Formats: sequence, structure tokens, C-alpha cells
Amino acid sequence: DVKVTQSSRYLVKRTGEKVFLECVQDMDHENMFWYRQDPGLGLRLIYFSYDVKMKEKGDIPEGYSVSREKKERFSLILESASTNQTSMYLCASSFPARSTEAFFGQGTRLTVV
Amino acid sequence: AQSVTQLGSHVSVSEGALVLLRCNYSSSVPPYLFWYVQYPNQGLQLLLKYTTGATLVKGINGFEAEFKKSETSFHLTKPSAHMSDAAEYFCAVIPSGGYQKVTFGIGTKLQVIP
Repeated sequence: DVKVTQSSRYLVKRTGEKVFLECVQDMDHENMFWYRQDPGLGLRLIYFSYDVKMKEKGDIPEGYSVSREKKERFSLILESASTNQTSMYLCASSFPARSTEAFFGQGTRLTVV
Repeated sequence: AQSVTQLGSHVSVSEGALVLLRCNYSSSVPPYLFWYVQYPNQGLQLLLKYTTGATLVKGINGFEAEFKKSETSFHLTKPSAHMSDAAEYFCAVIPSGGYQKVTFGIGTKLQVIP
């Protein structure tokens, strides 16, 4: 079975902290994604990566950066956490073919206080 | 730009009743279409997908969806709701050409009433 693992299920951070969210997949997928999920807004794409060291901005990249140094790992970085970044963060991975589905991690619920 | 509309952010059905969750997309060229389900405190998992071929696709847990090009729709149905179907359901599309980006609908929370 494909496994996408996010390092934390719950995180509480202070305003202004630098926050790292880690995601690891074990299926050799080229594509990896970070989404933010908020009630009434669905899933919004923050960044995605289609290869090591490659990244593309999604719909809401402001306040976030990403790193992909190895194929299996994709990190989301909040440079200076703010309360409006309190949310559920979902990582996903997939093969590059458009017909293939994405596999999701369990999510990280981040609270910024 | 691609968009996905899910009509009804909350849907309630009685146990044993028909489930119908609506999804419409906007695209001049039919995209690839997906339905995902999210149970409480979990990530999303694939229910079913349409890529090419037969327009009626069957998924897990008795769900199915029909791609209707003329209506730009991909509604999700299940003949008889079960309590375990209570979850949030997301419709998603990937364009068949150009920039490969998944667009999700806002989700529909399904409540099943005993």
C-alpha cells in the first residue's frame, strides 16, 4: 500500500516562529503536493513539486516556502507563523500521469497562537 | 481556468435512502474527474475516477458516478446509505492538457440519519 506520512498530527506554535511540516512517501512518486484545508473553502494548493529540487507555486503560496532535496520527502516551511495560518495541512503524492490519483497523508492540524 | 462546483456543502439522508452528491466542472475539454472521501481526522482517499472509456464508473463502498459531457457533470450516487458513509466528499478535476494541476471542490459533508 502507498503510504504518505506526515511527521505530526497536531502542532501548536507561537506567532513569529519558523515552522517545518514534513512529508514522506514510499511509492517513488514524482509529484508531491501541499494543500491547506479550511471549512467552506475545500482544499487549496499551496505548492507542488514534480521532481527533486523543482517546485511550482499553487493558489496560495504567500507566507510559505517548500523544500524537496530527496524524491521521497517534501517539506513545507512557514517562515514566520501567523494566526491566519492556523489550519489543517495535507500532503499528497502521485505519479505524473494525469489519470492517476493522489495519495494523501493523515494531515497536520496546526494551531498558531 | 478550471473550476469545480459542488452543490450543497451539507447533505442529510436517512439510512437506506439514495445518496446523490452533485459535482459540475467548467472546462471546454473534458478533464479527468475524481471523487475522494475524507473520514473525520483522516486524509483523503480515492472513491472512484473517470479518465476515458465507460462513462459510468464504480468505486469502493458501493458508490458510483456518471460522467455526462453534455451537462459537464460527475455526480456521485449510492443506492442505499449506510451510517458508515457519513464523511466529507470532494470532487476533483485534472485538466487533460496544459498545466497539470488538481482543482478540488469545496466538499460536501454527508450526514446519515438513523
